[in-house]
Order: sequence, then C-alpha cells, then structure tokens
Amino acid sequence: DVKVTQSSRYLVKRTGEKVFLECVQDMDHENMFWYRQDPGLGLRLIYFSYDVKMKEKGDIPEGYSVSREKKERFSLILESASTNQTSMYLCASSLVAGDGYTFGSGTRLTVV
Amino acid sequence: RKEVEQDPGPFNVPEGATVAFNCTYSNSASQSFFWYRQDCRKEPKLLMSVYSSGNEDGRFTAQLNRASQYISLLIRDSKLSDSATYLCVVTFTGGGNKLTFGTGTQLKVEL
Repeated sequence: DVKVTQSSRYLVKRTGEKVFLECVQDMDHENMFWYRQDPGLGLRLIYFSYDVKMKEKGDIPEGYSVSREKKERFSLILESASTNQTSMYLCASSLVAGDGYTFGSGTRLTVV
Repeated sequence: RKEVEQDPGPFNVPEGATVAFNCTYSNSASQSFFWYRQDCRKEPKLLMSVYSSGNEDGRFTAQLNRASQYISLLIRDSKLSDSATYLCVVTFTGGGNKLTFGTGTQLKVEL
C-alpha cells in the first residue's frame, strides 16, 4: 500500500512564525497535493506539484509556498503564520492523472 | 455556485436501513468521479470510483448521471461502522490531476 506520511500530527505555532509542514510518499508518485480542511468549507487545494521542482497554485495559495526538491517529498511553508491559518492540513499523492488520491493522516495546526 | 454540492446532513438511519446520497457537479466537462469516506478526525480514504456504467462493491452502489450532472451513492443494510462523512469528488477537463471535493454528507447509523 502507498504510504503518505506527514511529519507532525499536531502543531502549535505563534503568529508570525515560519512554519514547515513536511509530507513524504513512498511509492514514486508523480503528483502531490496540499489541502486544508475547515468545517463547512470542505477540502480546499493550496498547492500541487506534478514533478520535481515543479509547483502550481491551487485555489487558496495566499500566505503559503511549497518546495519539491525530491520526488518523494513535498513541503508546505507558511511564510508568516496567522490565526486564520489554523486548520487541518492534508497532503495527498497520486500516480496518474485522474487517479484517486492517497492522503496522509493530516496535521492539525493551531496558530496562537 | 459551488463546483460540487452535497447535502451536509446528518442522515440519521437505523441499522439495516438503505440510505442514498446525491451529489451534483457544475462542470459538464467533468471526467472522473469518486466517493471518499472520512471518519471523524481522520484523513479521507477512497471508497470507490464511479463509472459511467455504475458500479457496485458489496453493499455500496455508485451511479453517474451525466445528463443531469449528479452522482449517487447507495448503501444497503447499513452498519454502525458505516457512520462517517461521505465526500463526493470530481475531476474536470483542463483541471489536470486535481480533485475537487464536496463538503461531505454526514451519516449516522444508530441501533
């Protein structure tokens, strides 16, 4: 089975801090994604990547950046954390276009 | 209008009941369709893909109606363990590999 691992299950950070969320997948998937999930809003796409060093903005990229230096690793960066970035962050990967995703177990980030 | 819409529920049903969820999508160029299941405080997991001819997996049946732009999920003989949120998911032509998620329908199966 594909495994998608997110480095932290729970994080508490202070406003203004730079935050790194790490995601690693072990099945050589080309495509990786970062979503955030909030009550009543569902999953919203932040950034995605189809290949190493490649990134594309999703629906809500403001306040975030990403890095994909290696195929298996896709990092989400909050440049200056704000309280409205308190959320559940979910990383996912897929092998081919139109395929279903495999998700990591999520990182619940609280910004205080 | 949201790209993918679902009734949030909750649907409260007794064990053994049959329950159906619908989901509508706005983009007629939609390509792929899925149902995901999400348990409380857990990540979404793929339940089943939805094909044009419909598909069945045990107690679960998924249907696609392209003309009316909706997909459905039918659960027969509901179990307590079916209690979860069910997410409708769509990909759109020109949207690359991205999945667009509905906000989910909550199901509670009760004794």
